[in-house]
Amino acid sequence: GENVEQHPSTLSVQEGDSAVIKCTYSDSASNYFPWYKQELGKGPQLIIDIRSNVGEKKDQRIAVTLNKTAKHFSLHITETQPEDSAVYFCAASLGGFQKLVFGTGTRLLVSP
Amino acid sequence: DTAVSQTPKYLVTQMGNDKSIKCEQNLGHDTMYWYKQDSKKFLKIMFSYNNKELIINETVPNRFSPKSPDKAHLNLHINSLELGDSAVYFCASSQRAGGWETQYFGPGTRLLVL
Repeated sequence: GENVEQHPSTLSVQEGDSAVIKCTYSDSASNYFPWYKQELGKGPQLIIDIRSNVGEKKDQRIAVTLNKTAKHFSLHITETQPEDSAVYFCAASLGGFQKLVFGTGTRLLVSP
Repeated sequence: DTAVSQTPKYLVTQMGNDKSIKCEQNLGHDTMYWYKQDSKKFLKIMFSYNNKELIINETVPNRFSPKSPDKAHLNLHINSLELGDSAVYFCASSQRAGGWETQYFGPGTRLLVL
């Protein structure tokens, strides 16, 4: 069945530290893995995505890695800043279906 | 220049009432979605329309009825509101249908049923 597990559910770091959020998925046909950031009172905003033909993608302080064999992917944020505080969602496309399945979210708190 | 907009932003109503939420996108996308986010922040797809045609209809009570008058608009009508309908409802859009397409979300409509 469709399932995306996300860990941890909450993550507290000091400003300047790195943060890592991990997701696993169950559908071997999934081929698209976006990450969304949701700030308080706002809608989820795409921050980075990766497709199954790529193992890693970087955009300034954020990077995503994908291990298709193990069916897991991770979000890495380096040099965290207080404005990185938000809820982060991973998602995976459901093979053969026209939809994304979202993880349960990680609340990231970056303390100054 | 909001890409995906929703109205209203907040909606407080009594049980049993009927209400509608409207969504518009100015991105020229073919596909639009409705998601429900509960109090635990779980995001679950409800419906999707591609070129005004319903393509995803998840296990949602038939009190919820989406309507797409054109590609740029997707509205959600809810009959006989129940306490459990309280949630944040997000509209989203993508260029084309397909789970591999990037989805862009609106700001959400916070529905509270009393």
